[in-house]
Amino acid sequence: AQKITQTQPGMFVQEKEAVTLDCTYDTSDQSYGLFWYKQPSSGEMIFLIYQGSYDEQNATEGRYSLNFQKARKSANLVISASQLGDSAMYFCAMRERRGSTLGRLYFGRGTQLTVWP
Amino acid sequence: GAGVSQSPSNKVTEKGKDVELRCDPISGHTALYWYRQSLGQGLEFLIYFQGNSAPDKSGLPSDRFSAERTGGSVSTLTIQRTQQEDSAVYLCASSPSTGPLQPQHFGDGTRLSIL
Repeated sequence: AQKITQTQPGMFVQEKEAVTLDCTYDTSDQSYGLFWYKQPSSGEMIFLIYQGSYDEQNATEGRYSLNFQKARKSANLVISASQLGDSAMYFCAMRERRGSTLGRLYFGRGTQLTVWP
Repeated sequence: GAGVSQSPSNKVTEKGKDVELRCDPISGHTALYWYRQSLGQGLEFLIYFQGNSAPDKSGLPSDRFSAERTGGSVSTLTIQRTQQEDSAVYLCASSPSTGPLQPQHFGDGTRLSIL
């Protein structure tokens, strides 16, 4: 079974509008972390935001916020006031606390976001 | 710079040759990770090192792949007898520890092309 599912291969948004990128996850652990990364066409993987499974408040980082719904196992990324430079591939990822898989990040397939003027 | 450094940035080699990819983590980061990114497979975990503990090699796709980390810092990923399916971007990341809330910080990757 997929650990991370991103159902939107591509999304389009007009500049200055908000956009939500969907992510659902699958784990039986109680303690885990959820992350979003941005990968522009240049290829570098840029860390954006994280959410801990025990955090009661949604994480925010500038124009990025993470809409964490634990019961639904979803961790959607919201980008407010989109900018042309936000055009990139966005990956949702998860780390579990279990010893055998402690180190690894599980990634979704990504969502290609295009911001148009 | 202060980020994760990978070299070379690009590598083109013939099928059957051995290649070595290098990763220099962020200073002070005890955990180091290798991932592979390819069109068909997305981002795949390969191996991770944490301090002096035995590395988790469970993601290595075959025994042609190996990695070492010397002195708890620089790591080298070696692919022996390369095959065309090894063509991918190899990403290295590091983090201060392996806690589940520790983000991993990535290098720019090595783009490997096997002819």
